[in-house]
Amino acid sequence: DAGVIQSPRHEVTEMGQEVTLRCKPISGHDYLFWYRQTMMRGLELLIYFNNNVPIDDSGMPEDRFSAKMPNASFSTLKIQPSEPRDSAVYFCASSLARGTGHTDTQYFGPGTRLTVL
Amino acid sequence: DQQVKQNSPSLSVQEGRISILNCDYTNSMFDYFLWYKKYPAEGPTFLISISSIKDKNEDGRFTVFLNKSAKHLSLHIVPSQPGDSAVYFCAASAKRFSGGYNKLIFGAGTRLAVHP
Repeated sequence: DAGVIQSPRHEVTEMGQEVTLRCKPISGHDYLFWYRQTMMRGLELLIYFNNNVPIDDSGMPEDRFSAKMPNASFSTLKIQPSEPRDSAVYFCASSLARGTGHTDTQYFGPGTRLTVL
Repeated sequence: DQQVKQNSPSLSVQEGRISILNCDYTNSMFDYFLWYKKYPAEGPTFLISISSIKDKNEDGRFTVFLNKSAKHLSLHIVPSQPGDSAVYFCAASAKRFSGGYNKLIFGAGTRLAVHP
């Protein structure tokens, strides 16, 4: 089985440019999560979707960040305009919820390392 | 305001010895705790979990202990092996009685190095 797929694996861009990160979740999973990893704050949840609908975007740092999930097999995280402080590793994860109120294992992609110069 | 804290950014242990990774939390509503392991250039992978109704969960060389009164959990790896060298993330969630999904709140991670 293919795991969570993310692209690109590495992205280097200049300040002010638009950046789009892509994610393909595991087939059949109904939850999708976007995380950001930094040295200082560890893994931060940015936003998550259930059945393609955004449920909680309270972790999105500011309006420069946006995420979409047009269908069950694809999601994007966009940063426009990008800034040097956005440099981090961005992870996508997916999960299949099996019970009410139950926390299920999240499966992470390999991440996209973003560098904004 | 970090609700899940891993105060040791790194830990070095000799092969064959015990590794103990610690995690503290502040939210008394958390009732489910997980440990994830991350190798370089890979995403985190689930390692072991524990519900608040238990104080210990064991899976092979890995044991997680939960002390609810102290809001503290620890991961024990015995015996430690070089392949265990990775970053370990502690995570917690609070049950939502109205249904839906429980967000995972992660700590900053502890880098474990197991040397021969």
